[in-house]
Amino acid sequence: EVQLVESGGGLVQPGGSLKLSCAASGFSFNDSAMHWVRQASGKGLEWLGRIRGKANNYATAYAASLKGRFTISRDDSKNTAYLQMNSLETEDTALYYCTRHGTFTSPFDYWGQGTLVTVSS
Amino acid sequence: DIVMTQTPLSLSVTPGQPASISCKSSQSLLYSDGKTYLFWYLLKPGQPPQLLIYEVSNRFSGVPDRFSGSGSGTDFTLKISRVEAEDVGVYYCMQNIQLPRTFGQGTKVEIK
Repeated sequence: EVQLVESGGGLVQPGGSLKLSCAASGFSFNDSAMHWVRQASGKGLEWLGRIRGKANNYATAYAASLKGRFTISRDDSKNTAYLQMNSLETEDTALYYCTRHGTFTSPFDYWGQGTLVTVSS
Repeated sequence: DIVMTQTPLSLSVTPGQPASISCKSSQSLLYSDGKTYLFWYLLKPGQPPQLLIYEVSNRFSGVPDRFSGSGSGTDFTLKISRVEAEDVGVYYCMQNIQLPRTFGQGTKVEIK
């Protein structure tokens, strides 16, 4: 069974940092690109970025709106993807999801339950 | 970036009646491999998004056959033949042909 479990969310002050984790199981993590998507309250889904697997040199891509503040990484030995968020702003308050895109699967066919990040003083 | 535009932004539907959501992309989603990379997702209250339709018209595993997708190029439609109470939520189209991935604004479906 495919499972994605996010963790690491919480309350952080503006300007602060937070690192989210996405623990994966039930599929070939090494071969999958891992994406992060967020939803702010009352807003739509926003794609943040992705990291591909070793076969694609762990290539990353990000939404331009993040202005370089977020970094995605992965540890294939732990089947875990990460989202490092720096210089957080109140507008980053949202539910953060990780999702996958496997080599032979549709994009975003499985999602985690999400982890809530609140940026507030 | 490819802009995805959904209409309407909200729908109130009587159970058993049909519903239709339009999604238009600012560029063709037809790739050189012959596939069209348009997907539909449903975000139910308190749940993560779920994939409904992949590559325009293919229902994902477990998706009821009352859901159907159609379209080509830049114009796409999601139809629910007979809306049920469990179909409430926000529906999103998404393109997977180009980075950054982009979603439509979402269409909120409610039951009358």
